[in-house]
Amino acid sequence: DQQVKQNSPSLSVQEGRISILNCDYTNSMFDYFLWYKKYPAEGPTFLISISSIKDKNEDGRFTVFLNKSAKHLSLHIVPSQPGDSAVYFCAASAGYGGSQGNLIFGKGTKLSVKP
Amino acid sequence: SQTIHQWPATLVQPVGSPLSLECTVEGTSNPNLYWYRQAAGRGLQLLFYSVGIGQISSEVPQNLSASRPQDRQFILSSKKLLLSDSGFYLCAWSKGGHTYNEQFFGPGTRLTVL
Repeated sequence: DQQVKQNSPSLSVQEGRISILNCDYTNSMFDYFLWYKKYPAEGPTFLISISSIKDKNEDGRFTVFLNKSAKHLSLHIVPSQPGDSAVYFCAASAGYGGSQGNLIFGKGTKLSVKP
Repeated sequence: SQTIHQWPATLVQPVGSPLSLECTVEGTSNPNLYWYRQAAGRGLQLLFYSVGIGQISSEVPQNLSASRPQDRQFILSSKKLLLSDSGFYLCAWSKGGHTYNEQFFGPGTRLTVL
């Protein structure tokens, strides 16, 4: 049973436009959410996170929105750049150390930003 | 600053052969350590995690094992590889004892079992 779902395996966006990557979760105990970016043959790179006490966190061109009632979060990239082309993973955690603190990852969404 | 190393970067092994992948972290003490596998077309699957030397928790039953002989060293092993063990193996670390676990990943090892 997938606790973190990224239902869009791929997304194509024009350079300069907004990219919106979506993620849904089922476990109501999750209280910390993260986005990672991954290039081929490299390890994922931490991008941005949000705790459940917030509904928005912004860092430069990247903004993560959290809708707890819908168990949904999204990553907005504005403006999108060709270098943003990568696989984006959503991850969630129940917060505390040990097994509950481990990250559960979605399957990823491949973003392609076209010049 | 902290860095995480993995080796080898790529590995081609025959079915039934043993495996040893190594991961080391620099610049931090008592980290939590993790092994993940990314199979083709799939997400990141947590295999093992460790909160201290000699402490290993397994998330998925399989023919792989992990060991943590030193504080900042994490090893993934197998006595006999299966075809299904092929994939991209990632080591990660996070700050020990912290509630919110941002994990930082190594460069990964591409394992092909033939």
